Formats: sequence, C-alpha cells, structure tokens
Amino acid sequence: AQTVTQSQPEMSVQEAETVTLSCTYDTSESDYYLFWYKQPPSRQMILVIRQEAYKQQNATENRFSVNFQKAAKSFSLKISDSQLGDAAMYFCAYSGGSNYKLTFGKGTLLTVNP
Amino acid sequence: EADIYQTPRYLVIGTGKKITLECSQTMGHDKMYWYQQDPGMELHLIHYSYGVNSTEKGDLSSESTVSRIRTEHFPLTLESARPSHTSQYLCASRRAGTNYEQYFGPGTRLTVT
Repeated sequence: AQTVTQSQPEMSVQEAETVTLSCTYDTSESDYYLFWYKQPPSRQMILVIRQEAYKQQNATENRFSVNFQKAAKSFSLKISDSQLGDAAMYFCAYSGGSNYKLTFGKGTLLTVNP
Repeated sequence: EADIYQTPRYLVIGTGKKITLECSQTMGHDKMYWYQQDPGMELHLIHYSYGVNSTEKGDLSSESTVSRIRTEHFPLTLESARPSHTSQYLCASRRAGTNYEQYFGPGTRLTVT
C-alpha cells in the first residue's frame, strides 16, 4: 500500500523568506501523481501544485515550486517570498495505479511571522 | 473555483439525534469522498463512491452511512449522534483518472452535546 510521510508537524517562516516543506512517499507504481494541498484556518482545502511522475521537470506555480526526486521518492514544496496568507496546514498527497483514492500525509502546519 | 457544496456549515445537536450532512457537486464528477478531520489534524477517509449506486467504506471505521442515488449528491447520515462524532466532515469529488485532483467542499463542523 502507498504511504505518504510528512515529517514536519509544524514549520515557521518569516514573512518574505523561503521555506521548504518535506514529503516522502512509498509506492511500487511507475506512473503516479503527487499533489500539495493548502488548508487555511477555517477555510476550504485547495490545490497548490501538482507533479506528474513521468515529468522530470519540477512543477512551479508562481511562488510555489516543488523538488521532485523520483528515485528518492521525495516531493518537497518550496514557498518563496512567504506571505501572511500562506499560513495554513499543508498536505502532501499521492495518486497512482487503479486506486481512485488519494493518500494524504498527516500535514504540516505553517506559521508565517510578520 | 470548485463547485462543491456542503450544508450545514455548522451543526450543534444533542446526543441520539439523527442527522444528515449534505454534499453536492455540479462538476459531473463520478468519484466522491467523505473525510473526517479533527481541527488541525490529518484527514481520515470514511466513505467513498465510484459512481451512482456505488459506495465503499474508507480507511477509518465510521458509524455513519452514505448513499449515492444521483451523481451530484452524496449525503452522509448518522442515525444516532454521539459526542464522539464531534468533528469536521469534508466532502470531496474528483474526475476519473489518477492525474486529477480532488476538489473539496467547505466542510461541516459538527458538535454533538
């Protein structure tokens, strides 16, 4: 079974600085997709970024980028120029094979200090 | 913005009452999911559906039940609410295919007194 591990329960960053959130996963599939979701306090969960495993190029979305290391099964999220609105719980998720479910990590709570 | 709705957003109810949490999506997604999440904690999948008349139990055992009579509607029912059911319940939907993300509803925060 696939597993997703987020080893940092909490992280903090100063406004305007850069922070990296870690995620590792375990799978025997060769074709799969990875996601980072953001859940702000008392607000809706939204997708931040998606990575296709067959693509070597790391995905980027404005200030958000990933470092995808397929051999190491690592999928970290980098947030550049952190803003107060980035404060949220961040979940890493995996999708692969014929399984219609997403496997989520336990989340990392990010605090942004002014 | 995702078109997935949940009602009510907040519910406080007494022990023993029957409740139904509503979830609807207008995106025509076949796959729908219910998660239970305590504040600031991980998500636990409690039910999912691959399509109409298809429902499965998730990874976390739950006393709730679900139904999927229409593609767009995936309600969750608790026959007899208990304080241990106090939690946030998130509904999500997804298109078929592994490359598609799940869209989440705003959640229902349930408190059973």
